Amino acid sequence: DTEVTQTPKHLVMGMTNKKSLKCEQHMGHRAMYWYKQKAKKPPELMFVYSYEKLSINESVPSRFSPECPNSSLLNLHLHALQPEDSALYLCASSRASGEETQYFGPGTRLLVL
Amino acid sequence: AQSVTQLDSHVSVSEGTPVLLRCNYSSSYSPSLFWYVQHPNKGLQLLLKYTSAATLVKGINGFEAEFKKSETSFHLTKPSAHMSDAAEYFCVVSAFNDMRFGAGTRLTVKP
Repeated sequence: DTEVTQTPKHLVMGMTNKKSLKCEQHMGHRAMYWYKQKAKKPPELMFVYSYEKLSINESVPSRFSPECPNSSLLNLHLHALQPEDSALYLCASSRASGEETQYFGPGTRLLVL
Repeated sequence: AQSVTQLDSHVSVSEGTPVLLRCNYSSSYSPSLFWYVQHPNKGLQLLLKYTSAATLVKGINGFEAEFKKSETSFHLTKPSAHMSDAAEYFCVVSAFNDMRFGAGTRLTVKP
């Protein structure tokens, strides 16, 4: 099973809202990732968690707050977003942070009004 | 440092004809190379990967890619395109947790 699940599939939020994106995998992977993808562009890495600890933060604004409650779950908390944050947010996982093969979820399509 | 160049932003083929999506890479290491496919409004699906074993890599859905170190290329091919192959394709180079995506190639398949 190489499935990564993400909820919700779609999210519309105002600039003052607080919302969370969720990602789950049951492959026993110990590295999990958040990516942001704008239309017609490749994914851009935001955060990397390795063994439930944040190992990489690609200078992401503080209005995005990641959380890894356990080895299977990864959340992305959103607060005071801007319209330019509208994008597809992808979660991925790999066996370990040095293991290059990443498996991606279907993404959450976010629209900020 | 690593980088990936996908030589065509858009490729259009007729159903049943061969597909060629071109990718050149640059890396100071012996990297792993991947092709991912993304259908509209979907996540990325792993098509195939090269990790220093056989230079000709077979993937899912009839796709394959050949690693050519002398040309620093990793082109993706399929003998016969199907309508369901229409999607965005990303070539990726990765080493030591540094994963770089190409800009993507949009494949259109005409009936």
